[in-house]
Amino acid sequence: GENVEQHPSTLSVQEGDSAVIKCTYSDSASNYFPWYKQELGKGPQLIIDIRSNVGEKKDQRIAVTLNKTAKHFSLHITETQPEDSAVYFCAARAFNQAGTALIFGKGTTLSVSS
Amino acid sequence: NAGVTQTPKFQVLKTGQSMTLQCAQDMNHNSMYWYRQDPGMGLRLIYYSASEGTTDKGEVPNGYNVSRLNKREFSLRLESAAPSQTSVYFCASSEGQSLTNYGYTFGSGTRLTVV
Repeated sequence: GENVEQHPSTLSVQEGDSAVIKCTYSDSASNYFPWYKQELGKGPQLIIDIRSNVGEKKDQRIAVTLNKTAKHFSLHITETQPEDSAVYFCAARAFNQAGTALIFGKGTTLSVSS
Repeated sequence: NAGVTQTPKFQVLKTGQSMTLQCAQDMNHNSMYWYRQDPGMGLRLIYYSASEGTTDKGEVPNGYNVSRLNKREFSLRLESAAPSQTSVYFCASSEGQSLTNYGYTFGSGTRLTVV
């Protein structure tokens, strides 16, 4: 089945710096790669996603890149702000006979200090 | 618009007790999912239901059962709780299984402690 590895597990940056989180996946059939942000005591929320027919996608300060050949994708946050501090999860869409579901990485705790 | 509602928010069980975690969505979504979140382990898929009337195992199904009661509701049952099932449980839903309608909406979680 699908396996998603995420690095680093913790990341500390200064306000205004950039942050990069990287993920790899194992199943070449996976075709959808979302990123979720989880704030303390809340459920994860989708912040950006990318499909396998696209190499890069941007939304204001957030961008995601995908390298299908290498089976890795990355989240880039520019001009970080204290409110970006949270746990970030990458995921990949896995397939089996019954349907599809997301398999998540183990998460990255991002701390932005002012 | 409530989205995905999970009950209860907190629960303490004794080893061997049973309980059912409830999840309901009001977005007319076809697919629903149960995940557990443990420190350093991320979100692990327990069971999912691609559509009403179907369920399938995820990564960590042992010790759990599910019921897709109707299109809105998807419950998770622990028949004989064990301390290893201490975790935060999240329910999620998506409109469907195709890429055009695959975005997940998560509930706010149930924090379960088994003593």
